[in-house]
Amino acid sequence: NAGVTQTPKFRVLKTGQSMTLLCAQDMNHEYMYWYRQDPGMGLRLIHYSVGEGTTAKGEVPDGYNVSRLKKQNFLLGLESAAPSQTSVYFCASSYQGHNQPQHFGDGTRLSIL
Amino acid sequence: QQQVKQSPQSLIVQKGGISIINCAYENTAFDYFPWYQQFPGKGPALLIAIRPDVSEKKEGRFTISFNKSAKQFSLHIMDSQPGDSATYFCAAGRPGNTGKLIFGQGTTLQVKP
Repeated sequence: NAGVTQTPKFRVLKTGQSMTLLCAQDMNHEYMYWYRQDPGMGLRLIHYSVGEGTTAKGEVPDGYNVSRLKKQNFLLGLESAAPSQTSVYFCASSYQGHNQPQHFGDGTRLSIL
Repeated sequence: QQQVKQSPQSLIVQKGGISIINCAYENTAFDYFPWYQQFPGKGPALLIAIRPDVSEKKEGRFTISFNKSAKQFSLHIMDSQPGDSATYFCAAGRPGNTGKLIFGQGTTLQVKP
């Protein structure tokens, strides 16, 4: 039982390049989330999904897109990377309900030069 | 009104001492208040959570104190150990079908031997 798996773990991009971060969960969770973590700013929600085929914007969605074609996978895309998107990205999933624990992956450290 | 403010940003405690981290919120619609613990290179993991119908919840050395009228809650770590050295995040959630959480800015705790 792997829980939440994020790939890749590290990546360096040049400004303007695109990439996709993959999140996979094997707990049959309905809800999935993408966060970014920056020093002194906590975890900020980028996009989230409440079920297969659905996505919604979080606090800081600009410059990112997401897709949830399969229940177990949640993809985060950067169409044209900018240095301001240098961050650590975390994916999380949870059962339905607003008071359920969120289970996090170990993050993707992304640097944009 | 969506913010959760966490303090202090960093904390150094001697082994055996009490670590105290505080959080404040504005939105009275929040009714779920979890604390997450994050070790370096790992994703956050749920530590303990409280609902506003109780003023205190204890799990081992970890206690959440909740003051509904002041809209504040805090994490107390009794008999702090070097293994408790981590970053701690408070969060708040409200009823709905999204499971979204608003996280505080985080507190980096160092417990000195």
